[in-house]
Amino acid sequence: NAGVMQNPRHLVRRRGQEARLRCSPMKGHSHVYWYRQLPEEGLKFMVYLQKENIIDESGMPKERFSAEFPKEGPSILRIQQVVRGDSAAYFCASSPNYRDEQYFGPGTRLTVT
Amino acid sequence: AQKVTQAQTEISVVEKEDVTLDCVYETRDTTYYLFWYKQPPSGELVFLIRRNSFDEQNEISGRYSWNFQKSTSSFNFTITASQVVDSAVYFCALSEAGETSGSRLTFGEGTQLTVNP
Repeated sequence: NAGVMQNPRHLVRRRGQEARLRCSPMKGHSHVYWYRQLPEEGLKFMVYLQKENIIDESGMPKERFSAEFPKEGPSILRIQQVVRGDSAAYFCASSPNYRDEQYFGPGTRLTVT
Repeated sequence: AQKVTQAQTEISVVEKEDVTLDCVYETRDTTYYLFWYKQPPSGELVFLIRRNSFDEQNEISGRYSWNFQKSTSSFNFTITASQVVDSAVYFCALSEAGETSGSRLTFGEGTQLTVNP
């Protein structure tokens, strides 16, 4: 059973470009979560999605950030017009149900130059 | 609001020593879940354990053991006979039982454990 897959593992973007981060949950998991790890702030929750629905986006910045989990395909975290402060590790996690343990992917390291 | 505190930023031990990582949490919910994750130098997050608030029994898994005490709001993690491969950042996390908040893990700041040969 493959684990949570994230790609790309490393992403470099210039200021003002768009970043798209992909996450494929573990087989049988329909709950997906995104977290961001900033050096000064630790690991912070961003958004929780089920297929085709955003359940909790209380940790998502109000502007430039969006997330989706379509019926088919991976979950996407999209960051528009990236700025240097977006440089961080972005982790995706999945679980079979919303209170179960979350299994994390290897993360995407985003660097904004 | 929920909060997790890991007061030990860094711990350094010599191989074979026992080491305890502290975790103190705050929550208003009576039902909640506690977790420990390991982040080795390679960067991924590895799930170690999940406990619910109604189960205060201590747990042991090989060299790892966890002590959950509701009276002190603590969920401490002990590694017995530490090994170099245990070197990592360890995170304690909390989630509440709400319909949506139950999805959200609140992490502590992490404890960097270095085990020297």
